[in-house]
Amino acid sequence: EVQLVESGGGLVQPGGSLRLSCAASGFSFSSYEMNWVRQAPGKGLECVSYISTSGSAPYYADSVKGRFTISRDNAKNSLYLQMNSLRAEDTALYYCAREATTRQDAFDIWGQGTMVTVSS
Amino acid sequence: EIQMTQSPSSLSASVGDRVTITCRASQSISIYLNWYQQKPGKAPKLLIYAASSLQSGVPSRFSGSGSGTDFTLAISSLQPEDFATYYCQQSYSTPRTFGPGTKVDIK
Repeated sequence: EVQLVESGGGLVQPGGSLRLSCAASGFSFSSYEMNWVRQAPGKGLECVSYISTSGSAPYYADSVKGRFTISRDNAKNSLYLQMNSLRAEDTALYYCAREATTRQDAFDIWGQGTMVTVSS
Repeated sequence: EIQMTQSPSSLSASVGDRVTITCRASQSISIYLNWYQQKPGKAPKLLIYAASSLQSGVPSRFSGSGSGTDFTLAISSLQPEDFATYYCQQSYSTPRTFGPGTKVDIK
């Protein structure tokens, strides 16, 4: 079964750090570009970070640039998001999503999400 | 960054109704437009990619059209399981921006 499973979320104080992980299975992870998408409570979807198959040329939304770092380990079929200097406005459900070149780069597979709450 | 807008932001409809949702891009995106359905507590699900191609397993009552800057998602006969929030997304350039969503609820 093709799936993505996120982990690493939790409650953290403002200024703290978290590392999110996304474990991929059932497909050739190294062949797919990947994204982190977040959804604040009751709000819409925001792409916060993208990474190519090789890990080069990552993208970050302005809202997280300089604080978040995306990475991947193709040998471990895993995607990561290191989140530093966390703010209350980073509180959201974080999804990893697979970008399908055969589907015009649509996000065809999503994880179930991991919740990040930034609060004192 | 390409901005996406959707209308309406919400609508109420009955089972069996035909429903249309529109999406507009701030610049031409050819057919790099995708539609997602999200139900409460669930991850988004890809419905339509490349403006009009139906994702595998998605019922044929869903259809998409458009190119350039203006796009439409149509549901030909609304079913109880279709009550959800629908998002458009452009995949023409990075970042892959989403529209603000359209919530479809029961009249």
